[in-house]
Amino acid sequence: ETGVTQTPRHLVMGMTNKKSLKCEQHLGHNAMYWYKQSAKKPLELMFVYNFKEQTENNSVPSRFSPECPNSSHLFLHLHTLQPEDSALYLCASSQVGLIDTEAFFGQGTRLTVV
Amino acid sequence: GQQLNQSPQSMFIQEGEDVSMNCTSSSIFNTWLWYKQDPGEGPVLLIALYKAGELTSNGRLTAQFGITRKDSFLNISASIPSDVGIYFCAGRWDTGNQFYFGTGTSLTVIP
Repeated sequence: ETGVTQTPRHLVMGMTNKKSLKCEQHLGHNAMYWYKQSAKKPLELMFVYNFKEQTENNSVPSRFSPECPNSSHLFLHLHTLQPEDSALYLCASSQVGLIDTEAFFGQGTRLTVV
Repeated sequence: GQQLNQSPQSMFIQEGEDVSMNCTSSSIFNTWLWYKQDPGEGPVLLIALYKAGELTSNGRLTAQFGITRKDSFLNISASIPSDVGIYFCAGRWDTGNQFYFGTGTSLTVIP
């Protein structure tokens, strides 16, 4: 199994749909992240969870709703999205605390909002 | 937020040539990371740097943590076609804090 797995890999949704992105990490890390990657822009951090608790929300619109039921799983619930929300959504995990690790990424979900 | 500027934005080189790219920050970082991203995939970690002045190699890749702690460099020697992709730098100023990413350098290797 790969370290960080994201599903689905591709998603097309209408503006009135509700969908969820899933991320699972098998690295034993205690922090998980959602990033948005749009063309020609740096990776944008959306949410951070440390030990299942949300520690950062970088002014993300409420139409994106994260959920972290345990330290291995992270979801991003989507509803009433806009076409400009089309992007590659990347999940990452790392270990924070006494020993910090780098961020390891999943393969991403390519989201298209129509 | 922190600004990381990568240069060049894109590079077109002949196979076998060496490549150099750099990343500068407006603030000090204590950790520098270099990632490579293939089309349609997530970034993959190449090299991690933890100390100012540190020089680390990973095969044909060599990265350095700048003495000022505001910059980092990545060199690729004897490029091959599979080096094609987008290279990102990332920095973190303290443990437990978020990573900030650069805008990326797109590398094309011409056989």
